[in-house]
Parts: sequence; structure tokens; C-alpha cells
Amino acid sequence: RKEVEQDPGPFNVPEGATVAFNCTYSNSASQSFFWYRQDCRKEPKLLMSVYSSGNEDGRFTAQLNRASQYISLLIRDSKLSDSATYLCVVNSPGGSYIPTFGRGTSLIVHP
Amino acid sequence: EPEVTQTPSHQVTQMGQEVILRCVPISNHLYFYWYRQILGQKVEFLVSFYNNEISEKSEIFDDQFSVERPDGSNFTLKIRSTKLEDSAMYFCASIDPGQASDEQFFGPGTRLTVL
Repeated sequence: RKEVEQDPGPFNVPEGATVAFNCTYSNSASQSFFWYRQDCRKEPKLLMSVYSSGNEDGRFTAQLNRASQYISLLIRDSKLSDSATYLCVVNSPGGSYIPTFGRGTSLIVHP
Repeated sequence: EPEVTQTPSHQVTQMGQEVILRCVPISNHLYFYWYRQILGQKVEFLVSFYNNEISEKSEIFDDQFSVERPDGSNFTLKIRSTKLEDSAMYFCASIDPGQASDEQFFGPGTRLTVL
């Protein structure tokens, strides 16, 4: 069974903290990887795609380790507005674009 | 900026009734999806649709469910005889496979409550 696993948290951190989330996936043939953000009772929204070389977007850094089949997301200098659930999403191979979602990791940033 | 829209935002129905959830994907997108998310649980894939037919479906998508793209713009999910356990948020999404990434654009969702 193809799974995507995440620590559900919650991660409770003060403003300004650095926090890291990990996600593991079971299908070694998976080809594309994403972090989405979901606010309470809202739709998921793409935060960033994850590339083998790693990628950074402002305070957010995503990395992919294909050998160990995990993806990470690092958030630096946390803001109150970063409070949300962060979903790891892995697409199946073969062009059929079937994503598998992790359950999400809840982040709470407090003053 | 183009966006996926869904109607209604909230649907309340009696068990056993049929419901139709509607979505208007982004116009130049080619792949369309329905997902559900039961409160407090993860987003679950239901079905994908491409070239006017179902391309993949999950175990959840049984004979009670059907999808249709009746007029080239709307993309509907029908549940024929709703059960209590169908209560969930239903999200529609679409992809433009011509993009470098496979980013899914989600609609705001329809909250279905089955009484």
C-alpha cells in the first residue's frame, strides 16, 4: 500500500523559531513532491514543490532525499501567520497525476 | 488570477437523498479531480477525470458516486444515495499538465452534511 506519513504534531513554537517537518513515502517510484498548506476548514494551497536539489523560497526550504524516501520542510523565523497544517503530497509515477496526501502536520506559532 | 470555483459552499441533505456537487475548473486545465476530507482526517483522492472519462478512481469511489463534465466547463460529482459517513468536505481540483510542476489548484470546497 502506498503511504505518505507525517508526524501530526502539533508543533507549538514561539514567533521567530525555526521548525522542521519531515515526511516519508513508501513508493520509491514517486516522481513529484509537494508541500501544501491548509488552514482550518479551507482548501489546500501549494506552498512549494520539492526538487532533488533542494529549493528555498524566502523563509521556507524544502529538501528531498530519494535514497531514504523522505521530504523535509524547514521554516525559519516563524510568524503567527504560519500557523496552519502542512500537507506532504507525493505524486504517483507514470503521468497519471494521482497524488497521495499525508495527514498533515499542525503548526501553532504563538507570541 | 483564474481559480477553481465550487457550489454550493454547504449542502445539507437527508440520508438516502441524491446530491450533486458542482465545480468549475480553471479553463485551460485538462485533469480534474475530486477529493474528500472527513473532519480531522486527511485529504483522500476519489477520482480523476481526463479527456471526458475517468482515468483513475479510489476504493472510496463506489457505485454510489459518479462524475460528469456535461458542458465543457462544469465538473460534477453525484452521490446517488447519501450515507451519514459521506459527511465531509469535498474538494475539486485541476491541473494544467503543460506546467513544469504538477501543481493542483483546489476549489474552496463544498461541505456536505448528511443527517
